[in-house]
Amino acid sequence: QKEVEQDPGPLSVPEGAIVSLNCTYSNSAFQYFMWYRQYSRKGPELLMYTYSSGNKEDGRFTAQVDKSSKYISLFIRDSQPSDSATYLCAMRRGSTLGRLYFGRGTQLTVWP
Amino acid sequence: GAVVSQHPSWVICKSGTSVKIECRSLDFQATTMFWYRQFPKQSLMLMATSNEGSKATYEQGVEKDKFLINHASLTLSTLTVTSAHPEDSSFYICSALENKGSTEAFFGQGTRLTVV
Repeated sequence: QKEVEQDPGPLSVPEGAIVSLNCTYSNSAFQYFMWYRQYSRKGPELLMYTYSSGNKEDGRFTAQVDKSSKYISLFIRDSQPSDSATYLCAMRRGSTLGRLYFGRGTQLTVWP
Repeated sequence: GAVVSQHPSWVICKSGTSVKIECRSLDFQATTMFWYRQFPKQSLMLMATSNEGSKATYEQGVEKDKFLINHASLTLSTLTVTSAHPEDSSFYICSALENKGSTEAFFGQGTRLTVV
């Protein structure tokens, strides 16, 4: 079993839709949770970072972490065509400096 | 956010030759840099962790003699793919940590390597 599971999609939604992206994980030691956005042939760009359980909101993006269920989510409100990209979840243990464990990424297309 | 520059963005080389990829932190000092490999529609797979001034730590299954990593300064790490073969064709991405314990890893734009 991989440590981080993420449905690769593809996911296709109309402009303005609410998008829900999810990851599950198996290692209860993970404490830091991140979402990255990656455009084609580019490096990942950090979108959201959350420590432990809870919610975090930044503009149209909301990240949720449920450590009891080992489940994290990213919600995108009022999705735009420019949001079309691959979204990768990533996480790390508190004891390992910077060592990130990535999901496979979900490919999202927002059509106008 | 901090900027990490990776060069070249893409490279094509012949089988048997070596290719060097550079990763630079432009506006911060990176104590630690990471090298990843990404196949199409797959996740990032960590290849190695390099700390400035010391030998890189390679992940299990990664050939250290084939993928040479040098982190000679706080702003530059290089990955050299030696005796490249077509199966080495992939997308290579570096990331850098601004300081120990930082939770934000900044990524370079990646290098597309094609070995023919």
